Amino acid sequence: GENVEQHPSTLSVQEGDSAVIKCTYSDSASNYFPWYKQELGKGPQLIIDIRSNVGEKKDQRIAVTLNKTAKHFSLHITETQPEDSAVYFCAASMGSGYSTLTFGKGTMLLVSP
Amino acid sequence: DGGITQSPKYLFRKEGQNVTLSCEQNLNHDAMYWYRQDPGQGLRLIYYSQIVNDFQKGDIAEGYSVSREKKESFPLTVTSAQKNPTAFYLCASSDRGGSPLHFGNGTRLTVT
Repeated sequence: GENVEQHPSTLSVQEGDSAVIKCTYSDSASNYFPWYKQELGKGPQLIIDIRSNVGEKKDQRIAVTLNKTAKHFSLHITETQPEDSAVYFCAASMGSGYSTLTFGKGTMLLVSP
Repeated sequence: DGGITQSPKYLFRKEGQNVTLSCEQNLNHDAMYWYRQDPGQGLRLIYYSQIVNDFQKGDIAEGYSVSREKKESFPLTVTSAQKNPTAFYLCASSDRGGSPLHFGNGTRLTVT
């Protein structure tokens, strides 16, 4: 089955800096890669996703890049703000039919004012 | 507002008792899922259901059971056979398999 590795487990940045979280996956058949943000005591929320037919996707301060050859994808957050502090999860799946998401173990992002 | 409701938010049980966690969605989604979250372990899939009256085991189904009698509801029972039941349980739904997941706000179960 699919295996998703996520690094780092903890990331501390100053407000205004950029943050990068990286994930690798094992199944070359995976073609759907979402990122979720989880605030304390709440369920994860989808913040951005990418499918394998594109290499990069942006949404304001958030971007995701995908390298299918190397089987890795990354989340980039620019101009970080204290409200970006949360746990971020990457995931991978075949993106269709009865496929299910396999999640990484999460990255706790701390943005200091 | 459409969404997923998990209840209760906190649940306490004695060891040896079965306990059922509720999950209801009004998003008209076909697929529903249960995940378990432990510190440093990410989200692990317990059970999922793509249609009513059908469900499949996930990666850590032992000690758990589910039912899907209605499209809107997907209750999870944590049985006494589950060796380490204390955890944060998340329910999710999606339009279909492979589409984005929508999560509830979870139930924190403590078994002593």
